[in-house]
Amino acid sequence: DQQVKQNSPSLSVQEGRISILNCDYTNSMFDYFLWYKKYPAEGPTFLISISSIKDKNEDGRFTVFLNKSAKHLSLHIVPSQPGDSAVYFCAARGTTSGTYKYIFGTGTRLKVLA
Amino acid sequence: ETGVTQSPTHLIKTRGQQVTLRCSSQSGHNTVSWYQQALGQGPQFIFQYYREEENGRGNFPPRFSGLQFPNYSSELNVNALELDDSALYLCASSLVVGGNTEAFFGQGTRLTVV
Repeated sequence: DQQVKQNSPSLSVQEGRISILNCDYTNSMFDYFLWYKKYPAEGPTFLISISSIKDKNEDGRFTVFLNKSAKHLSLHIVPSQPGDSAVYFCAARGTTSGTYKYIFGTGTRLKVLA
Repeated sequence: ETGVTQSPTHLIKTRGQQVTLRCSSQSGHNTVSWYQQALGQGPQFIFQYYREEENGRGNFPPRFSGLQFPNYSSELNVNALELDDSALYLCASSLVVGGNTEAFFGQGTRLTVV
């Protein structure tokens, strides 16, 4: 039962264009969403987050949009740079008996072409 | 650089053996979580420790166990290793004081069971 889904395993974008990575979730009780970036041989690096009470959060070239009614979030990177090439994971935070638990999607491999 | 360090970075074990993986949390963080990332998958939550006590567990059998020490460093122990335990094991630390907080990951330990 995959509660967080990233349906696109890979994405290629030209340098300078916009990259849009998508994520869907099933549990309406998730209260916090995060995007992580992972390079080979490294652990995931936190990128940007959004609370469930907001619909947009922006940090430089990165913007995350949350559509709670559709249970969908997306990460926009503009302009895309070759150094953005990595695997991107979206994660949702659930709370069970006071414990925070992050549930990850399977990742989208972004390739930014120079 | 997240301040979370894991050791060793790579490990090869034989089926049936036991393994201990280690994690040093980011300074000031009181919560550590462990994740298993199989090839092509997102990280899967194993368990979480808060102030030296297990504070939540995912769908992993009891042969996966852990410890958190007074300095908030942590260990993941896996007994009776199986071939399917081959994966990247990630440790993440966070400071849970309520509200929104992200988890910071180490670089991971790649375990191969042969």
